[in-house]
Amino acid sequence: EVQLVEAGGGLIQPGGSLRLSCAASGFTFSSSWMHWVRQAPGKGLVWVSSIDSDGGATTYADSVKGRFTISRDNAKNTLYLQMNSLRAEDTAVYYCGRAWSGTYYMDVWGKGTTVTVSS
Amino acid sequence: EIVLTQSPATLSLSPGERATLSCRASQSVSSYLAWYQQKPDQAPRLLFYDASNRATGIPARFSGSGSGTDFTLTVSSLEPEDFAFYYCQQRINWPPTFGGGTKVEIK
Repeated sequence: EVQLVEAGGGLIQPGGSLRLSCAASGFTFSSSWMHWVRQAPGKGLVWVSSIDSDGGATTYADSVKGRFTISRDNAKNTLYLQMNSLRAEDTAVYYCGRAWSGTYYMDVWGKGTTVTVSS
Repeated sequence: EIVLTQSPATLSLSPGERATLSCRASQSVSSYLAWYQQKPDQAPRLLFYDASNRATGIPARFSGSGSGTDFTLTVSSLEPEDFAFYYCQQRINWPPTFGGGTKVEIK
């Protein structure tokens, strides 16, 4: 079964750091571009970051550039999102997703992990 | 950044009725538009890629159409499981952007 499982969310104070992980199974992770998308409470979907199959190319939304770092470990079939200098507006459910055919569409999604930034 | 505007924000319909959802782009996205369905407390599910190509396992009652700036998602006859949020997404320009969503609710 093709599956993505996120972990690492939680309650964190403003200015703090968290590292999210996304464990992949059921497909060839090392051949897949991957994305992070977030959804603030009661709001729509917002693209956060993407990484190519070998980790050599990354892109970020302007709102997180310089604060978040996407990475991957193909030996462990795991995607990461290191989040530093967290702000209240980063509060959201974070989803990882597999790129459909190397595009920004996502054809496999995890169930999400919740990040709450609050004092 | 390309802005996608979805309308209506909420669509109140009964099972068996036809649903027509709109997504309008602030500039042409050619056919590079996807549709997703999201149910409460669930992850989104890809319905269509590149405007009209049905993703794996999507029932035939769903159809997607359009190109350029105007796109439509149609559900020919709503089933109880179709009441959900629907989002469009473009991939022609960076950054990839989503529309604000349409909620299809039971009337």
